[in-house]
Amino acid sequence: NAGVMQNPRHLVRRRGQEARLRCSPMKGHSHVYWYRQLPEEGLKFMVYLQKENIIDESGMPKERFSAEFPKEGPSILRIQQVVRGDSAAYFCASSPLAGATDNEQFFGPGTRLTVL
Amino acid sequence: DQQVKQNSPSLSVQEGRISILNCDYTNSMFDYFLWYKKYPAEGPTFLISISSIKDKNEDGRFTVFLNKSAKHLSLHIVPSQPGDSAVYFCAASDDTGGFKTIFGAGTRLFVKA
Repeated sequence: NAGVMQNPRHLVRRRGQEARLRCSPMKGHSHVYWYRQLPEEGLKFMVYLQKENIIDESGMPKERFSAEFPKEGPSILRIQQVVRGDSAAYFCASSPLAGATDNEQFFGPGTRLTVL
Repeated sequence: DQQVKQNSPSLSVQEGRISILNCDYTNSMFDYFLWYKKYPAEGPTFLISISSIKDKNEDGRFTVFLNKSAKHLSLHIVPSQPGDSAVYFCAASDDTGGFKTIFGAGTRLFVKA
């Protein structure tokens, strides 16, 4: 009964490279959320996806960032041409079908991205 | 545009005493409020929640109070234990976007033995 899995746990990239962060939701969960936590700040909502659909991407920067949740496989958060300001902890969360009790989201351990 | 605010970045409490963590929100459309707890190097874990139709929800040592007119909620932990030392995030959702949740900046709780 694995929880939300994220990999890698730590990712180091040089400026201009691409970062790919993966998230496998809990079994039976079809909703995935991505959050970013900058140092000394709270969690900032980025994007909400269901299988093969982006439901709400209002928190995603307009450029360089994209997310997908394919029919098969994990959800991917992709950051192209990374800059130092992208350094943060990125958390993925999942929840069951709509109507989940308590609106609870289950979080993964996060991926800490460092851009050199 | 901070819709959920936790104005105290940290709080220190003696073991056995009550911890009170506060949270204010601005969006009157929020209808569900949650508290998450986070240890270093881990993801947040759900702690307790409250619907906007209630003013209190209790679960063991944890109680959340909601004052809708003041747009304020608080988390009470009593008695506090050293293992409660963590960062606590207040969060709110309005369901219009399918459980989109807005988090506060967090309050770091230190419980001293």
